[in-house]
Amino acid sequence: NAGVTQTPKFRVLKTGQSMTLLCAQDMNHEYMYWYRQDPGMGLRLIHYSVGEGTTAKGEVPDGYNVSRLKKQNFLLGLESAAPSQTSVYFCASSWPGLSGNEQFFGPGTRLTVL
Amino acid sequence: DQQVKQNSPSLSVQEGRISILNCDYTNSMFDYFLWYKKYPAEGPTFLISISSIKDKNEDGRFTVFLNKSAKHLSLHIVPSQPGDSAVYFCAASGFKAAGNKLTFGGGTRVLVKP
Repeated sequence: NAGVTQTPKFRVLKTGQSMTLLCAQDMNHEYMYWYRQDPGMGLRLIHYSVGEGTTAKGEVPDGYNVSRLKKQNFLLGLESAAPSQTSVYFCASSWPGLSGNEQFFGPGTRLTVL
Repeated sequence: DQQVKQNSPSLSVQEGRISILNCDYTNSMFDYFLWYKKYPAEGPTFLISISSIKDKNEDGRFTVFLNKSAKHLSLHIVPSQPGDSAVYFCAASGFKAAGNKLTFGGGTRVLVKP
């Protein structure tokens, strides 16, 4: 099992460009999440999904959109990238009732917006 | 306002000694607490968790202590090994939180010197 995978690993954008980050999981998890990690800020939740076809806002949703058309995939979109969106993005997945609400993370995507 | 705080951004310890990482929280609805470990260029990985009905949970060299009255938890690593050098994140969740959402602290970078 690959677990949680993220595509791409690195990306450089110019201000105003758009892009989509892809997350895939092969653990049949119901829940999926997108976080961003910035120095000293820990991981902050952008959007999450509790099932196929559903999405909800997290702590820092502005400037991002998401879609969960298939259970195994969770897409994060930036319609018009800004330098403030320079960050490392992590996708995670989970299953209802997992002990301690454990989440499984992907390896991350490092995004730079110039 | 950060609901989960790790006030020490970094910690340096000699190999074989104890590492103590601290975490404070403000939301009294939190009842599950987790520690994640993160190496550079990798996603966070689950380390250990504790439910609010306990005050201690031990797993090998790792022990988490919870003081609910003080809204404080700590992670003890004994003995510390060079491979423990990483960033450690504290996270918290409410029972049956929608989508198993986690709130993370800012992280503590641990350096174990040989």
